[in-house]
Amino acid sequence: KAGVTQTPRYLIKTRGQQVTLSCSPISGHRSVSWYQQTPGQGLQFLFEYFSETQRNKGNFPGRFSGRQFSNSRSEMNVSTLELGDSALYLCASSLAGGPRTGELFFGEGSRLTVL
Amino acid sequence: QQQVKQSPQSLIVQKGGISIINCAYENTAFDYFPWYQQFPGKGPALLIAIRPDVSEKKEGRFTISFNKSAKQFSLHIMDSQPGDSATYFCAASWGGGATNKLIFGTGTLLAVQP
Repeated sequence: KAGVTQTPRYLIKTRGQQVTLSCSPISGHRSVSWYQQTPGQGLQFLFEYFSETQRNKGNFPGRFSGRQFSNSRSEMNVSTLELGDSALYLCASSLAGGPRTGELFFGEGSRLTVL
Repeated sequence: QQQVKQSPQSLIVQKGGISIINCAYENTAFDYFPWYQQFPGKGPALLIAIRPDVSEKKEGRFTISFNKSAKQFSLHIMDSQPGDSATYFCAASWGGGATNKLIFGTGTLLAVQP
């Protein structure tokens, strides 16, 4: 069974640009969430989607947005990039409900560098 | 109140020794406490998780101890192996794990020396 796939794996942008990151969850997983990982702030929750609806949102500015498609694939977008947005962006999928409720399966992340 | 405090920041253990990582929380609404393991260049992977109706859960060499009154939980790695060298994150959430919104600790970098 294929794991969570994130693209692109690495990207470099300049301040003011925008970026779109993509995530394909494990087949059958309907819940997708996004996390930002930085050395200073650790792992921070961005948002969670289930059946194309945002179910939870973290404390990030409105420049961070996301969406989920009918096939459960998800994208997140960051507009007007700032230097502080440089981070590893992790996507995680999960089964909503069932005996393994709560287990997140993470992808390997998209490493964004903002110059 | 939303924080999960994790210690130590880094840990060096000899092969065969016991690694112990501690976490503390304030929000009594938390009812699901997972531990994740992350290797360099990889995403975190669930190691073991506990709910507050039990005080201990063991899976192989990994044990979670949970103290509800003290609002603390810890991970014990018995017979630590060099392959266990990784960063470990404790986390907490509410809703019995039904939500993907986890509050993570700051991580512990574990090095197991051969």
